[in-house]
Amino acid sequence: SQTIHQWPATLVQPVGSPLSLECTVEGTSNPNLYWYRQAAGRGLQLLFYSVGIGQISSEVPQNLSASRPQDRQFILSSKKLLLSDSGFYLCAWRSGELFFGEGSRLTVL
Amino acid sequence: DAKTTQPPSMDCAEGRAANLPCNHSTISGNEYVYWYRQIHSQGPQYIIHGLKNNETNEMASLIITEDRKSSTLILPHATLRDTAVYYCIVGIRDGTASKLTFGTGTRLQVTL
Repeated sequence: SQTIHQWPATLVQPVGSPLSLECTVEGTSNPNLYWYRQAAGRGLQLLFYSVGIGQISSEVPQNLSASRPQDRQFILSSKKLLLSDSGFYLCAWRSGELFFGEGSRLTVL
Repeated sequence: DAKTTQPPSMDCAEGRAANLPCNHSTISGNEYVYWYRQIHSQGPQYIIHGLKNNETNEMASLIITEDRKSSTLILPHATLRDTAVYYCIVGIRDGTASKLTFGTGTRLQVTL
């Protein structure tokens, strides 16, 4: 069956520290992958999308980056977190409908 | 980029139909319209999706206009458990990639 895993589920990081969120997909190949962010009380904003290994499109300029080192792995990173990076991060892939990971809740202090 | 827009909030009496509109004038020709909902701060829950024909499943119906620039999600008999934020998601082609962007969301409050 097709599944998507995302981790860590929750993290608290100080301002200026690095970030790495990982997402992996099972049961499919060459998926279209997406990273979204939801700030407190706001809607879901598309951050990055990818159609294949090493192919990343950025939707919103910011201090985040994404990488796709393997077909079914999508990583969201930052070298130095800002307070405004706090939020709920969701990874997703599409096969017919959109499938979402469990989400990662990031608090930057 | 034109945004995918939805009314910010709607009220609906329990047992009545809830009709939730979405304007998506920039949707690409071969991209689907998806509807999800979010309860509190949980992950999005799938409701329905369609391309150009109207669709119905056990949760809802989806009506897509002929020009595909707007759609309406219909919950035929709303219950209190349907209180949530409802999002439409549409795809916009970017070369070989498809940007799937969320609409602005409608907070549906179902009341007794």
